[in-house]
Amino acid sequence: DAGVTQSPTHLIKTRGQQVTLRCSPKSGHDTVSWYQQALGQGPQFIFQYYEEEERQRGNFPDRFSGHQFPNYSSELNVNALLLGDSALYLCASSSLVSGGGAEAFFGQGTRLTVV
Amino acid sequence: QKEVEQDPGPLSVPEGAIVSLNCTYSNSAFQYFMWYRQYSRKGPELLMYTYSSGNKEDGRFTAQVDKSSKYISLFIRDSQPSDSATYLCAMTKLTGGGNKLTFGTGTQLKVEL
Repeated sequence: DAGVTQSPTHLIKTRGQQVTLRCSPKSGHDTVSWYQQALGQGPQFIFQYYEEEERQRGNFPDRFSGHQFPNYSSELNVNALLLGDSALYLCASSSLVSGGGAEAFFGQGTRLTVV
Repeated sequence: QKEVEQDPGPLSVPEGAIVSLNCTYSNSAFQYFMWYRQYSRKGPELLMYTYSSGNKEDGRFTAQVDKSSKYISLFIRDSQPSDSATYLCAMTKLTGGGNKLTFGTGTQLKVEL
C-alpha cells in the first residue's frame, strides 16, 4: 500500500505566480482534504473533496481552489501567491462512504516557499 | 479563543519516562479524537483514534478522552529517543459534508538519553 502521495516535495515560487500541488489518496479511500501548516502551527483545513465536489471549506480566500478526479486524486491550486502562503501543504485521505469513520491519513506534504 | 488548545512545549524528558500530553477543546460537538506524531519536515502520522469518551491502548501509547471536561490526553510509556517529535491532537464531528479536522498547535517532545 503506497499510502498518500504528494508531489512535488518542495517548490519555490515568486509572488503573484500560480501553483498546482497534487495528491493521490490511500488505496480504497474516496475523500481528499487539503491543509496548510505554517511553521510552529497545527494544520489548518482548506477544503475537502468527495465525488469530485468540494464538500467543506475552511476560512481560505478564493485564490485557493481545488479539483478531484474520477480516480480520487486531487489538485490544490493557489493563484496570485503571497509571501504568507509559504507553508507545508498537506493532503489527507479518508473513506467516509465505506464506513471508515473520521480517521484521516496524511501525505508527506509539499513545502511551498514564496519569494 | 481557539477551538483546540495545546501547550506547545517544548517538553524534555529522560529516556524511559512516562510522558503525558494534553489538549482541551471548546466545541462539545466533537465526537472523534486523534493523536498524530509529526517528525520535522514530514507529514503527520496517525497514532491513536478514539470515538467519544474512554480509554484506548496500543502498545506503549494510551489515549484518554473525557468529554465532560472537554479534555483529551496521550500517555507514552517507556519513552524512547525515537519518540522525539511534535505531537498534534485533532478532533472532528462527522457531518453529511465530511470530516474536517481541527488541530491543536502541537507539543514538541524531546526524549533524552
